[in-house]
Amino acid sequence: DTAVSQTPKYLVTQMGNDKSIKCEQNLGHDTMYWYKQDSKKFLKIMFSYNNKELIINETVPNRFSPKSPDKAHLNLHINSLELGDSAVYFCASSPGGLAQETQYFGPGTRLLVL
Amino acid sequence: DQQVKQNSPSLSVQEGRISILNCDYTNSMFDYFLWYKKYPAEGPTFLISISSIKDKNEDGRFTVFLNKSAKHLSLHIVPSQPGDSAVYFCAAALAGGTSYGKLTFGQGTILTVHP
Repeated sequence: DTAVSQTPKYLVTQMGNDKSIKCEQNLGHDTMYWYKQDSKKFLKIMFSYNNKELIINETVPNRFSPKSPDKAHLNLHINSLELGDSAVYFCASSPGGLAQETQYFGPGTRLLVL
Repeated sequence: DQQVKQNSPSLSVQEGRISILNCDYTNSMFDYFLWYKKYPAEGPTFLISISSIKDKNEDGRFTVFLNKSAKHLSLHIVPSQPGDSAVYFCAAALAGGTSYGKLTFGQGTILTVHP
C-alpha cells in the first residue's frame, strides 16, 4: 500500500501542450510538496501546501499551478510546456510542515517535453 | 546560487570499508541537516538528520558529523554494504516554524559499494 503515489510515472509530450501530474498520500499528513529534479540533479522545492493552503511558492513560472482539492491530494498542472520543463517531478508529504519532520517522497514523474 | 553542494558526483567503496560522503553549505542560517537516500526509479527516503546544536548523530551504521565553522557535514557508513549503493542527497533547512519544511538539497552523490 503505497504511502505517496504519483501518476503518471512517465509523461512524454509536445511543446505547448498542457499536462497534469497527480499526487496522493495516505499517511494522514497535513503538508504536501512538489519538487523538481533538473538535469543537474538538484532537487528544488516548487510548492508546499498545508491543509489545502499554499505555504511555499518558490520562483516558479506561473505556467505551473498547483491544486489541492483536499489535504491528501496535491496536483500539479503545467500550461504551455517548454523544453526546459523536462525533469523528474517528485511529490512529498510530511505530518505538519516542520523542517525537522521526515518528508515522504513519491516515486517521481519523469516528464519529457519534445 | 546553490546553497548546498555535494562536490563528489560519485564514490566507489569496497564492501566492509567505510564510505564518507561530504556536503558543504553556504547559508550560515541553516540549522538542521538531513541525509536522504535514493534508489533508481524511487523517491528519496530519509536516512539520518542532525541539529546544529550537535556535532554528531549516530544511527546504526550511519553517522553524520557537522562542522558548523567550516559549514560542512559528512555522512559515514561503516561497514558499507552492497545494498547501500544508491544516490545520497544532503539537505539543509531552517528549523524555525516559518520555514514550513523547506529543504534545500544538494545534487547528490552516487555511492557504489562493490562486493
